[in-house]
Parts: sequence; structure tokens; C-alpha cells
Amino acid sequence: AQSVAQPEDQVNVAEGNPLTVKCTYSVSGNPYLFWYVQYPNRGLQFLLKYITGDNLVKGSYGFEAEFNKSQTSFHLKKPSALVSDSALYFCAVRDLLYNFNKFYFGSGTKLNVKP
Amino acid sequence: DTAVSQTPKYLVTQMGNDKSIKCEQNLGHDTMYWYKQDSKKFLKIMFSYNNKELIINETVPNRFSPKSPDKAHLNLHINSLELGDSAVYFCASSRGLGETQYFGPGTRLLVL
Repeated sequence: AQSVAQPEDQVNVAEGNPLTVKCTYSVSGNPYLFWYVQYPNRGLQFLLKYITGDNLVKGSYGFEAEFNKSQTSFHLKKPSALVSDSALYFCAVRDLLYNFNKFYFGSGTKLNVKP
Repeated sequence: DTAVSQTPKYLVTQMGNDKSIKCEQNLGHDTMYWYKQDSKKFLKIMFSYNNKELIINETVPNRFSPKSPDKAHLNLHINSLELGDSAVYFCASSRGLGETQYFGPGTRLLVL
């Protein structure tokens, strides 16, 4: 079955430091991977996606993610964290096997950026 | 202008009642979705419509019935509400099947 895992419930980082939010995937075939962010009391917002091509994907708000096929990972990164980046981050994978309209979301990682 | 909107934002009701949540998107998208986010923030798809046709129907109680009167609207009706239905319900839309999804602000349902 298609799935993604976010091993960390919470990530704490100081403002100005680099941040990484981890995601690993398990899919049959080539993965279509996504990152979304959810601010408090808001809906999810699309950050970036990987379908094919360059392993380093750049997205909104200075975020980027690196696709690593050998490690089956798609970690979200940002060189310098802002307090305003504090939110809940979701990794997702699209089901290409049984129902390609279906997305599986990870359990979410809460990012806390402290001033 | 809000791309994906939901009404109401908050819904507090008694067990056994019937309620509806409405969703509208002005993005011209063909595909719409309903998700349920539980208290642990776990997000799970419930339904998906493409061009008003139901294409995803997850293991959801029959008390939940989606309706898509046109491509821009996807409503969710819930009969005989139960305590376990308390959650945040998100509507989303995408340009087509499997495309990037855009989410509404959510409807926070509390069943007492």
C-alpha cells in the first residue's frame, strides 16, 4: 500500500537556524510526493511537490525538499527558519497504483521556531 | 477572493441531529474532496468527486452523504450525528484527478 511516515511529532529549532522536517515513503512505482503546511485554525496550504526530474524541489516561502530514492525520503528543508514558519507540516503521497486520485497524508509534524 | 470556501466555520450540535456542510470553489477545478481531521490531526479522505461523479468513497458510515450539484460545489450531509463525528472537516479541490489539492479553511464540528 502507498504510505508516508513522518517520524517526528515535533521539531524545535531556533530562528535563523536551518530546519528539516522528515518524511519517508513507501510506494509501488514512482512516487508523487507533496508537502503541505497547516497554520492554526486554517486549512492546508500547498508548499511543493515532486513528480519527476531534479531531486531538489523548491517551493513556497523559501522551503525546499530533497527527493532521495535510495533512502525513500522526501525531507522538507529551509536554510533559515522564521518564527512565522511555526505550523503543522504534512507530507503526502499520491496513489498511482489503485486510485490515482487518492492522496495519503502523513501524521503531521509540528514545527516550533523559537525567537 | 477565497478560492475554496466552507460554511459554516463552526458547528455545535446535539447527538442525533442532521446537519450539512457546504463547500464552494471558484478555481474552475473539476475535482473536489472531503477530508476528516481528527483530534490528533490525522487527515483522512472521505469522498472525492470529479465532474460531479463520485470517484472515491472510503469506508465512511452511510450517515455521511456527499452531494455535488455542480462542479463548483460539494456538500456533505450527516444524519444522526454521533459523538465520534466531532472533528474538523476539510473540503479541497484540484484541477483534475491527482493534481495538487487546494483546501478550504475547515468546518469545526462538535457533537454534544
